[in-house]
Amino acid sequence: DVKVTQSSRYLVKRTGEKVFLECVQDMDHENMFWYRQDPGLGLRLIYFSYDVKMKEKGDIPEGYSVSREKKERFSLILESASTNQTSMYLCASSSPFEGTPEAFFGQGTRLTVV
Amino acid sequence: GIQVEQSPPDLILQEGANSTLRCNFSDSVNNLQWFHQNPWGQLINLFYIPSGTKQNGRLSATTVATERYSLLYISSSQTTDSGVYFCAVITDSWGKFQFGAGTQVVVTP
Repeated sequence: DVKVTQSSRYLVKRTGEKVFLECVQDMDHENMFWYRQDPGLGLRLIYFSYDVKMKEKGDIPEGYSVSREKKERFSLILESASTNQTSMYLCASSSPFEGTPEAFFGQGTRLTVV
Repeated sequence: GIQVEQSPPDLILQEGANSTLRCNFSDSVNNLQWFHQNPWGQLINLFYIPSGTKQNGRLSATTVATERYSLLYISSSQTTDSGVYFCAVITDSWGKFQFGAGTQVVVTP
């Protein structure tokens, strides 16, 4: 079974802290994604990576950066956390070149910035 | 970009009832997925269904790609079916997904 694992289920951080959200997948997928989910706004793409060290901005990249040094790991970085970044963060992976390019999600990280 | 619309936005069901959720998309797509978001927030894969019909237990899905819609059927609903159901389509050759806004389903005992 495909497994996408996010490092924390719940996280509480202080305003101004640098925050790292980690995501690891075990299926050798090329693509990895970070989404945030807020009530009434659905899932919004923050960043997308289609290969090691390659990244593309999604719909709401402001205030975030990402790192993909290894194929299996995709990190989301909040350079200086703010209260408006309190949200549910979801990581996903997929392989668009396979016969069934399904996306698989991690369990999600609920981040609270106080 | 491709627009993905889901209906209804909310659905309240009595346990044992059947229901149909709809996903419309604005352009031709090669890939479509249905997900269930459980109460803990995780998105669970239900179907990868770019076309045709698939069944898995009490759930089934049909995609008519030429008419740009997909349907998810829930039969004999159970309280564990509660949650949000999302459809998502791949929008470009790199494999980026566009999600619908979801259908919130509540199944009451």
